[in-house]
Amino acid sequence: DPKIIQKPKYLVAVTGSEKILICEQYLGHNAMYWYRQSAKKPLEFMFSYSYQKLMDNQTASSRFQPQSSKKNHLDLQITALKPDDSATYFCASSQVGNQDTQYFGPGTRLLVL
Amino acid sequence: GDSVTQTEGPVTLSEGTSLTVNCSYETKQYPTLFWYVQYPGEGPQLLFKVPKANEKGSSRGFEATYNKEATSFHLQKASVQESDSAVYYCALPTSSGQKLVFGQGTILKVYL
Repeated sequence: DPKIIQKPKYLVAVTGSEKILICEQYLGHNAMYWYRQSAKKPLEFMFSYSYQKLMDNQTASSRFQPQSSKKNHLDLQITALKPDDSATYFCASSQVGNQDTQYFGPGTRLLVL
Repeated sequence: GDSVTQTEGPVTLSEGTSLTVNCSYETKQYPTLFWYVQYPGEGPQLLFKVPKANEKGSSRGFEATYNKEATSFHLQKASVQESDSAVYYCALPTSSGQKLVFGQGTILKVYL
């Protein structure tokens, strides 16, 4: 059974629209993360959360907003989408106290037209 | 800041040959070092990690030694298989431990 679920697997959006990427983990972890992978850049850290609190934000744009409604959920809301936002977004999780060992979900591939 | 540099890919090998993927890093600390593998359509999977300098990690026939003096963590495998075709990432955590910094990834293609 998958331990980290990301929905949807594929997403096509129009420029200017808003989308939410879903992430749920069933590893019992209390730290969660978002990373982005685009054709132009390697895996790039975006956000980290610990016990549902934002710990680190490396995303310059406020258009990207994580949302943690439950301790095993960390969704990513993206507003005013741009073609440059096209990428695969990966959710990851780890145990607090062992945060460098992160486990990744299968990703959501976003295409903005 | 922290950074990781890997062998430029793609690396194309015939099955049964040996593999080396170079990884060099820059950091002011002595963090755990990681190798991840990513298969098409999937997220990165932890291959193995090495928490201490001068120690070796291994998994599925792959191995790497944490060389603090040379700041290197090269991935090796004596005999690759077609199923090893994937993208390999070297990574290290920043000092806060909140964030992993990845190399650019090395595409490995193994043919029969």
